Amino acid sequence: EAGVVQSPRYKIIEKKQPVAFWCNPISGHNTLYWYRQNLGQGPELLIRYENEEAVDDSQLPKDRFSAERLKGVDSTLKIQPAELGDSAVYLCASSLSGDTYNEQFFGPGTRLTVL
Amino acid sequence: EDQVTQSPEALRLQEGESSSLNCSYTVSGLRGLFWYRQDPGKGPEFLFTLYSAGEEKEKERLKATLTKKESFLHITAPKPEDSATYLCAVLNQAGTALIFGKGTTLSVSS
Repeated sequence: EAGVVQSPRYKIIEKKQPVAFWCNPISGHNTLYWYRQNLGQGPELLIRYENEEAVDDSQLPKDRFSAERLKGVDSTLKIQPAELGDSAVYLCASSLSGDTYNEQFFGPGTRLTVL
Repeated sequence: EDQVTQSPEALRLQEGESSSLNCSYTVSGLRGLFWYRQDPGKGPEFLFTLYSAGEEKEKERLKATLTKKESFLHITAPKPEDSATYLCAVLNQAGTALIFGKGTTLSVSS
């Protein structure tokens, strides 16, 4: 079974530039999560989708971050414009449903460096 | 405020030297406590879920236990391949998000 796929794995950009991350969850998983993990910290939830609907985006900085999940499958997370403090690993995860947090399967993440 | 604290931050063991990692939490009405393993450059990998005090789960050399205020991850006779960062998380009070600790980085030398 293929795992959660993320691309790119690494991204280096100048501040004020836009950047986008892509995630393909495990087939059949209705729930998709985006997390941000700063160095030496645990992941922090940015947004959670149930199918196409964003059901929890309370931690998403909406002035510069946006996300979408078209057709309830792939998802894209965008930052525009990026700031120095956005440097982190952005993790995507999926699970069968949001009723249980058992076995969230994580992708390898995208490491973003903002110069 | 829902919070998870893990200790120690880092732990160095010799192969075969058993030890325990601690995860203390503050959340009203625990809905679930989760242990993950994270290798460098990879996403977290699910290990265990515990739901109620007194519950225990085992997987190979790992055993997770839960009390009303904390959880322990016991590592018996560790091997170098057990080296990783171990993350603990709880469901927040609303049951809508996982709250992660900072993790314990375990290094096992042969």
